[in-house]
Amino acid sequence: GNSVTQMEGPVTLSEEAFLTINCTYTATGYPSLFWYVQYPGEGLQLLLKATKADDKGSNKGFEATYRKETTSFHLEKGSVQVSDSAVYFCARTDTGTASKLTFGTGTRLQVTL
Amino acid sequence: EPEVTQTPSHQVTQMGQEVILRCVPISNHLYFYWYRQILGQKVEFLVSFYNNEISEKSEIFDDQFSVERPDGSNFTLKIRSTKLEDSAMYFCASTGPPGAVSGANVLTFGAGSRLTVL
Repeated sequence: GNSVTQMEGPVTLSEEAFLTINCTYTATGYPSLFWYVQYPGEGLQLLLKATKADDKGSNKGFEATYRKETTSFHLEKGSVQVSDSAVYFCARTDTGTASKLTFGTGTRLQVTL
Repeated sequence: EPEVTQTPSHQVTQMGQEVILRCVPISNHLYFYWYRQILGQKVEFLVSFYNNEISEKSEIFDDQFSVERPDGSNFTLKIRSTKLEDSAMYFCASTGPPGAVSGANVLTFGAGSRLTVL
């Protein structure tokens, strides 16, 4: 079936450090891929998306590239801020269902001064 | 920016009681969803709803769950007889029709309703 695997957290970084959160997906069909972010006490917000191979999604300094050959969609940011502290979820669309999403387990990021 | 609104933000209930969680999707959206997130675990799909009927549901969505769109704006999730394991954050989401400029694949989520069953 469809699944998404994320690196386990928590990830603790100092401000201005480089961030990578790994995400891989099962290679069934041609999914769209997403990163959602959940700030403390809030709901899920779309951070970025990519709909086909080699697409790069970007937003707020975050980037992720849809890599079909490695079935990956790793999230990166060159310089994190304290305000980036949140839980990050990788997700894919389900085969045959354009809008239903399968989520990873989430990775908590804690950025300190 | 349009948003999905959920009420209540937090509800505490006794085991066996009925609970209704309410959602107001974005006004021109046609597809509606409920997801849940048990504390510390992944976000899980419960049910999708289109054209006044369930289009897909997961194994979690058993007979104690039901959804309804009682009027033109609300979308509700009812849990008939709550169990301890129903304690979770419940997220409503909506999306536009295929081909919409806003992106049919992009779900817009509400802030969630936290349900605590004692």
